[in-house]
Amino acid sequence: NAGVTQTPKFQVLKTGQSMTLQCAQDMNHNSMYWYRQDPGMGLRLIYYSASEGTTDKGEVPNGYNVSRLNKREFSLRLESAAPSQTSVYFCASSEGGTDTQYFGPGTRLTVL
Amino acid sequence: EDQVTQSPEALRLQEGESSSLNCSYTVSGLRGLFWYRQDPGKGPEFLFTLYSAGEEKEKERLKATLTKKESFLHITAPKPEDSATYLCAGFSGSARQLTFGSGTQLTVLP
Repeated sequence: NAGVTQTPKFQVLKTGQSMTLQCAQDMNHNSMYWYRQDPGMGLRLIYYSASEGTTDKGEVPNGYNVSRLNKREFSLRLESAAPSQTSVYFCASSEGGTDTQYFGPGTRLTVL
Repeated sequence: EDQVTQSPEALRLQEGESSSLNCSYTVSGLRGLFWYRQDPGKGPEFLFTLYSAGEEKEKERLKATLTKKESFLHITAPKPEDSATYLCAGFSGSARQLTFGSGTQLTVLP
Protein backbone atom coordinates (compact mmCIF):
# COMPACT_ATOMS: atom_id res chain seq x y z
CA ASN A 1 0.00 0.00 0.00
CA ALA A 2 1.37 3.39 -1.01
CA GLY A 3 -1.21 5.19 1.16
CA VAL A 4 -1.66 8.78 -0.02
CA THR A 5 0.50 9.95 -2.90
CA GLN A 6 0.92 13.50 -4.20
CA THR A 7 2.46 14.94 -7.34
CA PRO A 8 4.53 16.96 -7.90
CA LYS A 9 6.82 17.13 -4.86
CA PHE A 10 8.09 20.60 -5.72
CA GLN A 11 6.83 23.34 -8.05
CA VAL A 12 7.83 26.90 -8.84
CA LEU A 13 5.29 29.14 -10.57
CA LYS A 14 5.20 32.72 -11.71
CA THR A 15 2.36 34.97 -10.58
CA GLY A 16 -0.69 34.36 -12.76
CA GLN A 17 0.25 30.87 -13.89
CA SER A 18 -2.07 27.95 -13.24
CA MET A 19 -1.40 24.44 -12.08
CA THR A 20 -3.08 21.34 -10.68
CA LEU A 21 -1.86 19.37 -7.70
CA GLN A 22 -2.72 15.70 -7.86
CA CYS A 23 -3.58 13.37 -4.98
CA ALA A 24 -4.46 9.68 -4.95
CA GLN A 25 -5.16 7.19 -2.16
CA ASP A 26 -5.27 3.41 -2.27
CA MET A 27 -6.97 2.80 1.09
CA ASN A 28 -10.53 2.84 -0.31
CA HIS A 29 -11.31 5.86 1.85
CA ASN A 30 -14.47 7.85 1.32
CA SER A 31 -13.26 11.28 2.44
CA MET A 32 -10.37 13.34 1.08
CA TYR A 33 -8.92 16.71 2.07
CA TRP A 34 -6.57 19.45 0.94
CA TYR A 35 -4.61 21.48 3.51
CA ARG A 36 -1.95 24.14 3.34
CA GLN A 37 0.78 24.52 5.94
CA ASP A 38 2.48 27.85 6.58
CA PRO A 39 5.12 28.59 9.21
CA GLY A 40 3.59 29.35 12.60
CA MET A 41 0.01 28.85 11.39
CA GLY A 42 -0.56 25.13 11.48
CA LEU A 43 -2.44 23.15 8.88
CA ARG A 44 -5.50 24.90 7.43
CA LEU A 45 -8.22 23.16 5.49
CA ILE A 46 -8.75 24.41 1.93
CA TYR A 47 -11.40 22.02 0.58
CA TYR A 48 -12.66 18.58 1.39
CA SER A 49 -14.72 15.86 -0.21
CA ALA A 50 -16.82 13.83 2.20
CA SER A 51 -17.61 11.27 -0.47
CA GLU A 52 -17.26 10.73 -4.20
CA GLY A 53 -19.21 13.39 -6.04
CA THR A 54 -19.25 15.97 -3.25
CA THR A 55 -16.91 18.84 -2.34
CA ASP A 56 -17.11 21.53 0.33
CA LYS A 57 -15.15 24.62 1.27
CA GLY A 58 -12.85 24.62 4.25
CA GLU A 59 -11.30 27.50 6.15
CA VAL A 60 -9.26 29.05 3.29
CA PRO A 61 -10.84 28.19 -0.10
CA ASN A 62 -10.30 31.48 -1.97
CA GLY A 63 -8.12 31.13 -5.07
CA TYR A 64 -8.52 27.36 -5.28
CA ASN A 65 -10.78 24.83 -6.98
CA VAL A 66 -11.03 21.10 -6.47
CA SER A 67 -12.24 18.06 -8.36
CA ARG A 68 -13.06 14.68 -6.89
CA LEU A 69 -12.28 12.69 -10.02
CA ASN A 70 -13.27 9.33 -8.57
CA LYS A 71 -13.05 7.60 -5.18
CA ARG A 72 -9.23 7.45 -5.36
CA GLU A 73 -8.32 10.88 -6.73
CA PHE A 74 -8.79 14.45 -5.53
CA SER A 75 -7.09 17.33 -7.32
CA LEU A 76 -6.47 20.94 -6.30
CA ARG A 77 -6.25 23.65 -8.94
CA LEU A 78 -4.77 27.12 -8.73
CA GLU A 79 -6.23 29.10 -11.64
CA SER A 80 -4.07 32.21 -11.25
CA ALA A 81 -1.29 31.72 -8.72
CA ALA A 82 -0.38 34.51 -6.30
CA PRO A 83 2.67 34.86 -4.02
CA SER A 84 0.32 34.41 -1.02
CA GLN A 85 -0.23 30.84 -2.21
CA THR A 86 3.40 29.95 -1.57
CA SER A 87 3.03 27.11 0.91
CA VAL A 88 3.31 23.39 1.48
CA TYR A 89 0.17 21.56 0.38
CA PHE A 90 -0.94 18.30 1.94
CA CYS A 91 -3.60 15.90 0.82
CA ALA A 92 -5.22 13.56 3.34
CA SER A 93 -7.86 10.85 3.35
CA SER A 94 -10.04 9.14 5.92
CA GLU A 95 -12.57 6.34 6.05
CA GLY A 96 -15.30 8.75 7.09
CA GLY A 97 -15.60 12.34 8.19
CA THR A 98 -14.80 11.75 11.85
CA ASP A 99 -12.12 9.13 11.35
CA THR A 100 -8.35 9.43 11.45
CA GLN A 101 -6.92 11.35 8.53
CA TYR A 102 -3.82 9.98 6.82
CA PHE A 103 -1.56 12.43 5.05
CA GLY A 104 0.50 12.40 1.89
CA PRO A 105 4.11 13.61 1.66
CA GLY A 106 3.21 17.13 0.52
CA THR A 107 3.88 19.46 -2.39
CA ARG A 108 6.12 22.46 -1.78
CA LEU A 109 4.89 25.32 -3.98
CA THR A 110 6.66 28.62 -4.53
CA VAL A 111 4.95 31.44 -6.42
CA LEU A 112 7.30 34.18 -7.59
CA GLU B 1 -14.52 29.83 16.50
CA ASP B 2 -12.63 26.61 17.13
CA GLN B 3 -9.11 27.06 18.43
CA VAL B 4 -6.21 24.77 19.30
CA THR B 5 -3.11 26.17 21.03
CA GLN B 6 0.08 24.21 21.59
CA SER B 7 2.88 25.00 24.01
CA PRO B 8 5.74 25.36 24.11
CA GLU B 9 6.51 26.27 20.50
CA ALA B 10 9.91 24.60 20.82
CA LEU B 11 11.43 22.27 23.39
CA ARG B 12 14.98 21.01 23.71
CA LEU B 13 15.60 17.98 25.92
CA GLN B 14 18.60 15.89 26.78
CA GLU B 15 18.28 12.22 25.96
CA GLY B 16 16.45 10.55 28.83
CA GLU B 17 14.94 13.81 30.14
CA SER B 18 11.17 13.30 30.35
CA SER B 19 8.73 16.13 29.65
CA SER B 20 5.23 16.99 28.46
CA LEU B 21 3.76 18.91 25.55
CA ASN B 22 0.52 20.81 26.04
CA CYS B 23 -2.48 21.21 23.73
CA SER B 24 -5.29 23.53 24.88
CA TYR B 25 -8.49 23.44 22.85
CA THR B 26 -11.81 25.16 22.47
CA VAL B 27 -13.58 23.04 19.87
CA SER B 28 -17.34 22.96 19.64
CA GLY B 29 -18.73 19.47 20.05
CA LEU B 30 -15.34 17.79 20.18
CA ARG B 31 -15.54 14.43 18.45
CA GLY B 32 -11.88 13.49 18.79
CA LEU B 33 -8.47 14.90 19.75
CA PHE B 34 -5.68 13.78 17.43
CA TRP B 35 -1.91 13.77 17.85
CA TYR B 36 0.42 13.60 14.88
CA ARG B 37 4.18 13.55 14.47
CA GLN B 38 5.76 15.45 11.57
CA ASP B 39 9.37 15.04 10.44
CA PRO B 40 11.02 17.77 8.34
CA GLY B 41 9.90 17.67 4.73
CA LYS B 42 7.29 14.97 5.35
CA GLY B 43 3.56 14.72 5.96
CA PRO B 44 2.04 14.33 9.42
CA GLU B 45 2.07 10.78 10.76
CA PHE B 46 -0.82 9.68 12.95
CA LEU B 47 -0.04 8.83 16.59
CA PHE B 48 -3.21 8.83 18.74
CA THR B 49 -6.89 9.66 18.89
CA LEU B 50 -8.57 10.47 22.22
CA TYR B 51 -12.33 10.70 22.47
CA SER B 52 -13.29 11.47 26.05
CA ALA B 53 -11.88 13.16 29.15
CA GLY B 54 -9.82 10.77 31.22
CA GLU B 55 -8.79 8.66 28.27
CA GLU B 56 -5.11 7.74 27.91
CA LYS B 57 -3.20 6.03 25.10
CA GLU B 58 0.40 4.87 24.94
CA LYS B 59 2.88 4.02 22.23
CA GLU B 60 6.48 3.26 23.10
CA ARG B 61 7.81 6.34 24.95
CA LEU B 62 4.72 8.45 24.27
CA LYS B 63 1.54 8.74 26.30
CA ALA B 64 -1.36 11.01 25.42
CA THR B 65 -3.99 12.13 27.91
CA LEU B 66 -7.16 14.19 27.60
CA THR B 67 -9.10 16.48 29.92
CA LYS B 68 -12.10 18.66 29.10
CA LYS B 69 -9.87 21.57 28.12
CA GLU B 70 -6.42 20.16 27.41
CA SER B 71 -4.45 17.25 26.09
CA PHE B 72 -0.92 16.34 27.07
CA LEU B 73 1.68 14.32 25.23
CA HIS B 74 4.07 12.89 27.78
CA ILE B 75 7.48 11.76 26.52
CA THR B 76 9.32 9.39 28.84
CA ALA B 77 13.09 8.99 28.52
CA PRO B 78 13.18 10.42 25.00
CA LYS B 79 15.75 9.44 22.39
CA PRO B 80 17.19 11.57 19.56
CA GLU B 81 14.90 9.77 17.09
CA ASP B 82 11.91 11.30 18.92
CA SER B 83 12.97 14.70 17.55
CA ALA B 84 10.13 16.01 15.38
CA THR B 85 7.26 18.47 15.38
CA TYR B 86 4.23 17.20 17.27
CA LEU B 87 0.85 18.43 16.08
CA CYS B 88 -2.42 18.38 17.97
CA ALA B 89 -5.83 18.69 16.26
CA GLY B 90 -9.45 18.72 17.41
CA PHE B 91 -12.35 17.46 15.32
CA SER B 92 -15.46 19.59 15.68
CA GLY B 93 -18.75 17.77 15.44
CA SER B 94 -20.51 20.99 14.43
CA ALA B 95 -18.02 22.30 11.86
CA ARG B 96 -17.13 18.73 10.85
CA GLN B 97 -13.51 19.75 10.38
CA LEU B 98 -10.14 19.25 12.03
CA THR B 99 -8.58 22.34 13.61
CA PHE B 100 -4.82 22.06 14.04
CA GLY B 101 -2.48 23.73 16.48
CA SER B 102 0.77 25.18 15.17
CA GLY B 103 2.84 22.41 16.73
CA THR B 104 5.68 21.89 19.19
CA GLN B 105 9.11 21.38 17.71
CA LEU B 106 10.91 18.85 19.90
CA THR B 107 14.67 18.38 19.77
CA VAL B 108 16.26 15.60 21.80
CA LEU B 109 20.01 15.97 22.19
CA PRO B 110 22.25 12.90 22.58
